[in-house]
Amino acid sequence: AQSVTQLGSHVSVSEGALVLLRCNYSSSVPPYLFWYVQYPNQGLQLLLKYTTGATLVKGINGFEAEFKKSETSFHLTKPSAHMSDAAEYFCAYTHASKLTFGTGTRLQVTL
Amino acid sequence: NAGVTQTPKFQVLKTGQSMTLQCAQDMNHNSMYWYRQDPGMGLRLIYYSASEGTTDKGEVPNGYNVSRLNKREFSLRLESAAPSQTSVYFCASSERPGLSSGANVLTFGAGSRLTVL
Repeated sequence: AQSVTQLGSHVSVSEGALVLLRCNYSSSVPPYLFWYVQYPNQGLQLLLKYTTGATLVKGINGFEAEFKKSETSFHLTKPSAHMSDAAEYFCAYTHASKLTFGTGTRLQVTL
Repeated sequence: NAGVTQTPKFQVLKTGQSMTLQCAQDMNHNSMYWYRQDPGMGLRLIYYSASEGTTDKGEVPNGYNVSRLNKREFSLRLESAAPSQTSVYFCASSERPGLSSGANVLTFGAGSRLTVL
């Protein structure tokens, strides 16, 4: 069965440190991949998406993700965390007419 | 632009009561969706409407009904609420019809927090 897995339900980083949120998908066919962010008491909003073409995708707020077919991964990174990045992040993919979300990773940013 | 508007934001029900969650979008999107969010489970699709006049079941449709009233509005009804339906409900919309378009991007509402006692 197709699925998307986010490693780590909680990640804590210091302000200014690298942010790395992991996402792996299972599929024999490269899907379309997304990262969404949810700030407290808000709905989800799109950070970035991969469809075709360049495997390094840049999104809003300095985030980027790299599609690696050989590793079936789409990890989200940001070189330097900011307090405002504290939120929950969801990896998602579409394949066979279905959009599937991961279980989410809550990012905590400490001083 | 308001985007996707959901009402109510909060609701407490007793087991067996019914209620309708309302959703409206002002982006002229074709497709609309209802998700529920539960801790540790991500978002799960309840129902979606690829276009006006059509609705389809998602991953967890049991206990819910939907109505695509017009292009702007998509409501979710709980006929007989159960404690297992305690959740945060999100409405979303997208420009392209249905989920078959792989690069479909969803715009979400702010959510409706429902508690069933």
